[in-house]
Amino acid sequence: GENVEQHPSTLSVQEGDSAVIKCTYSDSASNYFPWYKQELGKGPQLIIDIRSNVGEKKDQRIAVTLNKTAKHFSLHITETQPEDSAVYFCAAKRGADGLTFGKGTHLIIQP
Amino acid sequence: GAGVSQSPRYKVAKRGQDVALRCDPISGHVSLFWYQQALGQGPEFLTYFQNEAQLDKSGLPSDRFFAERPEGSVSTLKIQRTQQEDSAVYLCASSFGESYEQYFGPGTRLTVT
Repeated sequence: GENVEQHPSTLSVQEGDSAVIKCTYSDSASNYFPWYKQELGKGPQLIIDIRSNVGEKKDQRIAVTLNKTAKHFSLHITETQPEDSAVYFCAAKRGADGLTFGKGTHLIIQP
Repeated sequence: GAGVSQSPRYKVAKRGQDVALRCDPISGHVSLFWYQQALGQGPEFLTYFQNEAQLDKSGLPSDRFFAERPEGSVSTLKIQRTQQEDSAVYLCASSFGESYEQYFGPGTRLTVT
């Protein structure tokens, strides 16, 4: 089955700086890669996603890049703000399968 | 609009008790997924419905876990004879179709004592 590795497990950045979280996946048939933000006591919130026919996608301060050959994808957050502090999960999926998640990155924005 | 809702939000069960967790998906979403999230981990897939049909139950950890969606809308995840290792947050997600974005509910935190 699919295996998703996520790094780093914890990331601390100064407010206003950029944050990058990286994931690798094992199944070359995976074709959908979402990113979720989870705050304490809440369910995961979809923040951006990318499909395998696209290399990069951007939504305001958030961008995701995908390298199918290397089987890795990354989340980029620019101009970080205190409200960006949360746990971020990457995931991969193929077809009708369920999502396979990484172990999460705890992002801490230092004021 | 209304998102995915789950009830109860918190459930404490004594070891050996049966529990039932409910999920109300977003109206019009034909696909429904259940996930289990252990403390400090990412969610893990349990099972998937398309309308009332359970198309994939490969993630259910044992035959004590059972899910249903009889009318293609509300779904119930039932755990029989709960064990301590069942303690986790159970998340439900729905989507317009199997290839579309999944939207999650707030989860039910199950604690087995």
